[in-house]
Amino acid sequence: EIVLTQSPATLSLSPGERATLSCRASQSVSSYLSWYQQKPGQAPRLLIYDASNRATGIPARFSGSGSGTDFTLTISSLEPEDSAVYYCQQRINWPLTFGGGTKVEIK
Amino acid sequence: EVQLLESGGGLVQPGGSLRLSCAASAFTFSNYAMSWVRQAPGKGLEWVSTISGSGGSTYSADSVKGRFTISRDNSKNTLYLQINSLRAEDTAIYYCAKSGGAPYDPFDIWGQGTTVTVSS
Repeated sequence: EIVLTQSPATLSLSPGERATLSCRASQSVSSYLSWYQQKPGQAPRLLIYDASNRATGIPARFSGSGSGTDFTLTISSLEPEDSAVYYCQQRINWPLTFGGGTKVEIK
Repeated sequence: EVQLLESGGGLVQPGGSLRLSCAASAFTFSNYAMSWVRQAPGKGLEWVSTISGSGGSTYSADSVKGRFTISRDNSKNTLYLQINSLRAEDTAIYYCAKSGGAPYDPFDIWGQGTTVTVSS
């Protein structure tokens, strides 16, 4: 099973600041890495697929990068509505696995 | 608008059973793989099971193999999860999620979830 480790656990930033979230895989997942956003009381929403492709309707301030074992989700300029938990997920191997999540708090 | 609507959750005793349903609308259901993902209270996301568009291939997490069965009825645009021998650790919100054409594609649409509580 591929283990995904996300860091930091919590990120507290002000509106307009840049957020950088990390996801590290226990073995290579090539570019088969997705990012999801989950706001309190809501279902997750796909943000980024295949490491760097924005899903439909996702604002340009969200971007993804990386390949192999190290991946980054960047929010270029935080908006208040970006307060959420962000999960990475790999799809190269069964079982599909998620990271433990990074909580982004807006000061 | 593409929609997924789960139902069937509830309070069940340990060892009991439930069948969850997920009604899909506004897309060609049989063309897409579908999955169940769960989230225990205050915890992260855990993939449970995936079924191909035709229903001919299924994949499940080791934690639920032998107890949970994923299936679909393409004539009814509905996904199911039969859950047996329930344990306290199965308590969670269960989300159905649509993937792309392949079973391992990302989850691009999610339902709002149905809550399963296992308790005596």
